[in-house]
Amino acid sequence: EVQLVETGGGLIQPGGSLRLSCAASGFTVSSNYMSWVRQAPGKGLEWVSVIYSGGSTYYADSVKGRFTISRDNSKNTLYLQMNSLRAEDTAVYYCARDNRLVVAGAAGAFDIWGQGTMVTVSS
Amino acid sequence: QSVLTQPPSASGTPGQRVTISCSGSSSNIGSNTVNWYQQLPGTAPKLLIYSNNQRPSGVPDRFSGSKSGTSASLAISGLQSEDEADYYCAAWDDSLNGPDYVFGTGTKVTVL
Repeated sequence: EVQLVETGGGLIQPGGSLRLSCAASGFTVSSNYMSWVRQAPGKGLEWVSVIYSGGSTYYADSVKGRFTISRDNSKNTLYLQMNSLRAEDTAVYYCARDNRLVVAGAAGAFDIWGQGTMVTVSS
Repeated sequence: QSVLTQPPSASGTPGQRVTISCSGSSSNIGSNTVNWYQQLPGTAPKLLIYSNNQRPSGVPDRFSGSKSGTSASLAISGLQSEDEADYYCAAWDDSLNGPDYVFGTGTKVTVL
């Protein structure tokens, strides 16, 4: 079964750090483009970061310099290292697979999503 | 911050057709394909439409998408109670700083 499972969320004080994990099954993380998307309570979706199959990484301006996306090919797992956390980073964080390398004619849509992990930044 | 604009709400009775608009700019919808996601209450988003008008396997053909210029739309025909959810359009944006995936503001669909 193709699925993504996020872990690592929790309550963290402002200025703290947290690392989220996203374990994949049924496909290979390193062979796909993978993104993190977040959703603040009661708000819409916000793209956070992407890592390409070749290893290039990109970030939303709101997290640039504070968050780092990475992957462990041996564990088939995606990560999001979050440093200098702020109250406005409070959200459910989802990992998602981009379909452009697995679906003919696709140009980059998120076809597989995890269940999400909640990050709360508060003192 | 959302770059794509959607109406906050839409509604219809069972069996009706509902349309949701999504307005962007030349750097996102005008240059790239549009995707649509459905988010049921308390669940993760689900891909509904990709590449403007393609349905992933398992998505009913009641859902259809289209794009023209810098705007796109999602149509739900034969509205059903289980279609009550939030809907988001999205597209990659050709930012000078690198790829940026922008979501719409979201539309809550209510089945009356």
